[in-house]
Amino acid sequence: GQQLNQSPQSMFIQEGEDVSMNCTSSSIFNTWLWYKQEPGEGPVLLIALYKAGELTSNGRLTAQFGITRKDSFLNISASIPSDVGIYFCAGQGYGGSQGNLIFGKGTKLSVKP
Amino acid sequence: DAMVIQNPRYQVTQFGKPVTLSCSQTLNHNVMYWYQQKSSQAPKLLFHYYDKDFNNEADTPDNFQSRRPNTSFCFLDIRSPGLGDAAMYLCATSRDFDFSNQPQHFGDGTRLSIL
Repeated sequence: GQQLNQSPQSMFIQEGEDVSMNCTSSSIFNTWLWYKQEPGEGPVLLIALYKAGELTSNGRLTAQFGITRKDSFLNISASIPSDVGIYFCAGQGYGGSQGNLIFGKGTKLSVKP
Repeated sequence: DAMVIQNPRYQVTQFGKPVTLSCSQTLNHNVMYWYQQKSSQAPKLLFHYYDKDFNNEADTPDNFQSRRPNTSFCFLDIRSPGLGDAAMYLCATSRDFDFSNQPQHFGDGTRLSIL
């Protein structure tokens, strides 16, 4: 079945630093989504990617849909304390189970003021 | 304004005592999903409804059931909760299965504790 590898598993950074995380898939995806989840809350959609090569920004966040359709990255520039949370990538593959999103295991981000 | 609303936010039940979690949506989406998320793990899909059509994931235990009486509401019933069922339960919706139109939207979840 389809699997997603998300890395790194966790990051401890200083406020102001840039952050990069990525996901790779064993098969082709047609949609990549990046979510942020804060403690006790549900995942909130940050960026959605629909085309290979697509580069999309949302404020200080930038995400790209890899050319091979098997990977995506998320960058956060000039991190601030409120960036703390778990970031999940999720993908939908071609011909996959209807409506089934495949989730990465998450990247836990800690930001030191 | 919240578009996917889950109640309650926190639920405590006793081992073996049936419990129902609820989800409502104001998006008029066709699809509603229930996920289970344990600590430090990714959400795991339990089942979903497309309108009234129910689809159960193969590895979802029989202990978990769902009802969707109308477009707006969907319920998760746990018939005999065990200690291993303590988790965050997330409801999500999507307009259809093509996320290139509109991705899934999640509620804030219900955290279930088992005594």
